Amino acid sequence: KAGVTQTPRYLIKTRGQQVTLSCSPISGHRSVSWYQQTPGQGLQFLFEYFSETQRNKGNFPGRFSGRQFSNSRSEMNVSTLELGDSALYLCASSLGMGSYEQYFGPGTRLTVT
Amino acid sequence: GENVEQHPSTLSVQEGDSAVIKCTYSDSASNYFPWYKQELGKRPQLIIDIRSNVGEKKDQRIAVTLNKTAKHFSLHITETQPEDSAVYFCAARMNSGYSTLTFGKGTMLLVSP
Repeated sequence: KAGVTQTPRYLIKTRGQQVTLSCSPISGHRSVSWYQQTPGQGLQFLFEYFSETQRNKGNFPGRFSGRQFSNSRSEMNVSTLELGDSALYLCASSLGMGSYEQYFGPGTRLTVT
Repeated sequence: GENVEQHPSTLSVQEGDSAVIKCTYSDSASNYFPWYKQELGKRPQLIIDIRSNVGEKKDQRIAVTLNKTAKHFSLHITETQPEDSAVYFCAARMNSGYSTLTFGKGTMLLVSP
């Protein structure tokens, strides 16, 4: 099976802009979780989607949002970008039904200038 | 919410030595504990995991132990090799129906030839 894919792999944006990141899970996986990885804070949970519904959300401002489509692909959006949003954004997919293993994509490296 | 502490933050060993990384968690409702290995510039890779109804699990040179009473779990790597050098993350999942993982801050393992 193909692994988790994310696009784009790299992004450079300026403060105030918005950005949309995409994640395609492993075929058959219905749960997609998003994490922000920074050197100082490590891996922090953003949100989880299952069957097109957000079923959990981390402690991030409302500028961070996401959605999931009927084919389980997920997008996350960050509006009004701040310098502190520079990070590696990782998505992870899992079956979501009693199976706990999560598999990560390669991430999108976002740089805000 | 869940909180996961991981120690040490860096660990240097000689090739062939054993390495142990320890994590503690705060929520006794957590029931799944995965370990991820992240090489420089790569995605986190699931290397081993353990559920709360098991005390120990082994896979070749790596093993994980869980002490539910003390709320801590450990990763053991025997006969370390230079290719084991990476950042290792522990995580915990609450028994909440969600897939959300709470991660430790990571341990940088350096294996010298």
